[in-house]
Amino acid sequence: AQKVTQAQTEISVVEKEDVTLDCVYETRDTTYYLFWYKQPPSGELVFLIRRNSFDEQNEISGRYSWNFQKSTSSFNFTITASQVVDSAVYFCALSALGSGNTGKLIFGQGTTLQVKP
Amino acid sequence: DAGITQSPRYKITETGRQVTLMCHQTWSHSYMFWYRQDLGHGLRLIYYSAAADITDKGEVPDGYVVSRSKTENFPLTLESATRSQTSVYFCASSETDRGKQYFGPGTRLTVT
Repeated sequence: AQKVTQAQTEISVVEKEDVTLDCVYETRDTTYYLFWYKQPPSGELVFLIRRNSFDEQNEISGRYSWNFQKSTSSFNFTITASQVVDSAVYFCALSALGSGNTGKLIFGQGTTLQVKP
Repeated sequence: DAGITQSPRYKITETGRQVTLMCHQTWSHSYMFWYRQDLGHGLRLIYYSAAADITDKGEVPDGYVVSRSKTENFPLTLESATRSQTSVYFCASSETDRGKQYFGPGTRLTVT
């Protein structure tokens, strides 16, 4: 079975603090993809990153960085020097390509990040 | 460049009524998906489609019906709406089974 766990339901930080959102996944498939999506208060879902299971390189995009560790089945997301505009719900998701999965996304419950000025 | 659209954006209906939520994408993506978003559950897959005339159940399909006669459209029908189907519904599409999914703006459905 596939599962994604985001243990942090809500996080509150003050602007300019760094914050890490945790994501732990479960799958028996060897080929899978991990995603992060952002859902700002306006409600739309914004794609942030996709990582495949064969690429464990960390990635940095501006203030955002992602740490993928297969050994601990984790794909954590760090925002450096957070800003008020980062306030949103963040979802981690898994797409495993074993039999019958056909690209379906399994989402975690989401982490609500509040960045206070 | 419209992308992926959903209609209506908001809908209030009564228990027992049939409701259809529309989803349209302009990219000719093969894959389309319907998710529902509920507090504490994140997004859960209702149905998906790998191509026109090919659909399959997701995690929470009961009470829903889908069809896909054209690649660009993927309507979701609640045959007899129940209060437990009050939710925000998102449609998504992707080019491949491993590509990123593009989400529509969502439909907020309230069943009274």
